Amino acid sequence: DTEVTQTPKHLVMGMTNKKSLKCEQHMGHRAMYWYKQKAKKPPELMFVYSYEKLSINESVPSRFSPECPNSSLLNLHLHALQPEDSALYLCASSPHRDSLYEQYFGPGTRLTVT
Amino acid sequence: LAKTTQPISMDSYEGQEVNITCSHNNIATNDYITWYQQFPSQGPRFIIQGYKTKVTNEVASLFIPADRKSSTLSLPRVSLSDTAVYYCLVGGSYGGGFKTIFGAGTRLFVKA
Repeated sequence: DTEVTQTPKHLVMGMTNKKSLKCEQHMGHRAMYWYKQKAKKPPELMFVYSYEKLSINESVPSRFSPECPNSSLLNLHLHALQPEDSALYLCASSPHRDSLYEQYFGPGTRLTVT
Repeated sequence: LAKTTQPISMDSYEGQEVNITCSHNNIATNDYITWYQQFPSQGPRFIIQGYKTKVTNEVASLFIPADRKSSTLSLPRVSLSDTAVYYCLVGGSYGGGFKTIFGAGTRLFVKA
């Protein structure tokens, strides 16, 4: 199974809502990533988890809160978002923390903040 | 982390070889170079990765000169389905974690 799954595919939320994005992989990868991608722009790294611990936070606002409950699952908790946070949120995983193996990306969650 | 520069767009015809060059002047010793392909509304898909010289797999080749300040992705005999955005990345291990920065991407349009 070489697939990264993300749910939901689409999410519309108001600025006062709390929601969560979910990412799952069963490839035994020990590094997982969250990226944000705006239209016609490249993905921007947000967070990196390595062996279930947060290893990189790219100065992401606290209204985005990542969580890695186990080695297969990665969540992104959203609270009090702004309309400019509307984007495609991509999750990825890779086999090793310190090796540049390929990252497997999920299809993304299209988030719209109203 | 090194910034990358690549052409914004390229056009080609089916059956031609396409070469996309990426500049990464400030690449660090522990950085690798990776290329991804992305179709609309999908996540990026790994194409190829290398550190130096030449790497070839079943879909592409990657040429990296000795100074590693640039790299060229070569797609042999493209087809219409190769129309996509191609990203050049440099990345390595930083501060206990692994980081990559995507380049701006090159939109390749393959015509019949």
